[in-house]
Amino acid sequence: QKEVEQNSGPLSVPEGAIASLNCTYSDRGSQSFFWYRQYSGKSPELIMFIYSNGDKEDGRFTAQLNKASQYVSLLIRDSQPSDSATYLCAVNFGNEKLTFGTGTRLTIIP
Amino acid sequence: DAMVIQNPRYQVTQFGKPVTLSCSQTLNHNVMYWYQQKSSQAPKLLFHYYDKDFNNEADTPDNFQSRRPNTSFCFLDIRSPGLGDAAMYLCATSRDRSRETQYFGPGTRLLVL
Repeated sequence: QKEVEQNSGPLSVPEGAIASLNCTYSDRGSQSFFWYRQYSGKSPELIMFIYSNGDKEDGRFTAQLNKASQYVSLLIRDSQPSDSATYLCAVNFGNEKLTFGTGTRLTIIP
Repeated sequence: DAMVIQNPRYQVTQFGKPVTLSCSQTLNHNVMYWYQQKSSQAPKLLFHYYDKDFNNEADTPDNFQSRRPNTSFCFLDIRSPGLGDAAMYLCATSRDRSRETQYFGPGTRLLVL
């Protein structure tokens, strides 16, 4: 069974601080990893994707992948109230499909 | 702008009354997916089309069917909706199947009375 695990939260972070979201997955052969942001009542919106070990930065967002330890994380620097949402981790296990975690609910406190 | 469009955004139906949800895309992507998402749960893949090749998930109820008449359009048919089928239905597309990013439409929220 291929699984993606996330802490459901809620995770509360003061405005301006760094929010750190973590995700673990069950299969070492996994190929690609995605972070989606989902506001309440809305559809998922792609934030980042990462394929290789290490860090990938895009503006205030950094994705970190460690395939040996089977985790992927998302860092959000200078957190803003508009970052308050549920963040979904998704993994392509090489079977043409994405498997989603249940998401971490992030709240940025002004 | 190229995008994934879903209609309607909100759909109310009666228990047992067939309903069809539609999805269209201007991205010219080969793959189209249908997900069901209930509150505080992960999106659950129902099926996907790679071009005209239909791929059903093993645990998708027979009550759910899909059609893809052309590259741009894909439909989700729920033949006899039950109360447990109330959910957000998400359509997504990707250029290809392996490693490709999936792009989601705005979703259709289905309410079953």
